[in-house]
Amino acid sequence: GAVVSQHPSRVICKSGTSVKIECRSLDFQATTMFWYRQFPKQSLMLMATSNEGSKATYEQGVEKDKFLINHASLTLSTLTVTSAHPEDSSFYICSAIPIGISYNEQFFGPGTRLTVL
Amino acid sequence: GIQVEQSPPDLILQEGANSTLRCNFSDSVNNLQWFHQNPWGQLINLFYIPSGTKQNGRLSATTVATERYSLLYISSSQTTDSGVYFCAVSGYSTLTFGKGTMLLVSP
Repeated sequence: GAVVSQHPSRVICKSGTSVKIECRSLDFQATTMFWYRQFPKQSLMLMATSNEGSKATYEQGVEKDKFLINHASLTLSTLTVTSAHPEDSSFYICSAIPIGISYNEQFFGPGTRLTVL
Repeated sequence: GIQVEQSPPDLILQEGANSTLRCNFSDSVNNLQWFHQNPWGQLINLFYIPSGTKQNGRLSATTVATERYSLLYISSSQTTDSGVYFCAVSGYSTLTFGKGTMLLVSP
């Protein structure tokens, strides 16, 4: 149980284009999902907290107009990287906390590797 | 925010050896998780362990919340154990990750 999927797993795009990444909880519902970014040989850094039906909460230094987050349902959150540039190339990982459990264990998706040319 | 330190940063083992990974954190927490990141980047949940001791096969973990540290034990290591092990903690809901321990198990 507690499976999270991401789509696409890998994307290459040209500078200036926008890319949408989907995060789905497959066997549970989640009011809260999280988006992380991981650069090579580094740790995960939280970008934003996605709340179903409300605006996302962004961490300091993360541009909300560049990284658009939509949490439209209890099983889907999307991250759109707008006007992508080479410095946005990274590994993007989402996670979710299942509704209805008494503790806040997070379950992670397999990640999306974004390369901006 | 909470600071998380993991040690050692790198570890090389011969297959069959045992190892202990450590995670120190700077404040009280209500969530502590250990993960294994495989070579494809997938984070695999090993333990949810804000306190106490748990075991799962060759792996076990102990968190001493009052002293603000957690230990991950790997016994009889296998080459498939190679990868990065992360400790992550939170006071409420957002996890803060340590920098990880890179483990290489050689045949």
